[in-house]
Amino acid sequence: SQKIEQNSEALNIQEGKTATLTCNYTNYSPAYLQWYRQDPGRGPVFLLLIRENEKEKRKERLKVTFDTTLKQSLFHITASQPADSATYLCALDNFGNEKLTFGTGTRLTIIP
Amino acid sequence: EAQVTQNPRYLITVTGKKLTVTCSQNMNHEYMSWYRQDPGLGLRQIYYSMNVEVTDKGDVPEGYKVSRKEKRNFPLILESPSPNQTSLYFCASSPRASFNNEQFFGPGTRLTVL
Repeated sequence: SQKIEQNSEALNIQEGKTATLTCNYTNYSPAYLQWYRQDPGRGPVFLLLIRENEKEKRKERLKVTFDTTLKQSLFHITASQPADSATYLCALDNFGNEKLTFGTGTRLTIIP
Repeated sequence: EAQVTQNPRYLITVTGKKLTVTCSQNMNHEYMSWYRQDPGLGLRQIYYSMNVEVTDKGDVPEGYKVSRKEKRNFPLILESPSPNQTSLYFCASSPRASFNNEQFFGPGTRLTVL
């Protein structure tokens, strides 16, 4: 069956350290993978999109990697700040179809 | 301001009473979709629309209807709501198909069915 798994439901990281979140998938062949941020009670906000032929993408303190052999994406936040505390969702397609399927998310807390 | 709006934001209703949640976007996006979000289950797609008059089922369409008569609007209709439809609902839009485009989400509608 198809599965998208994000590492532990909750992750606590000391301020200033790098937070690394994982997204593993099974029985998908994504052409694209996206990461979103969601604050409590609000809609998800798009952060980054990476294509299957891209190994890495960066945006300010954010970095995403995409390994189609391992069927995994890593999402890094460097120099983490308390304001980075939120739930982070990965989402992917399957063979480039119109549907985007989301993982259940990782709740990240940056501890001052 | 470019945005997706949903109304109402909060709704408490009773089993069987038809309701409509409206969704509107002002970005001229072709693609719109509805999701529900439940604890432990994440965001699950209910219906999506590639363009006007083109809609298709997502992963959890049972008990819901949609229509896309205009590009900007994509209402979600619950003909006979049941308690298992109590959830947080999000409307989203993107320029074209969702998989390779940023999706813009609305603020959410928290629905309780008693």
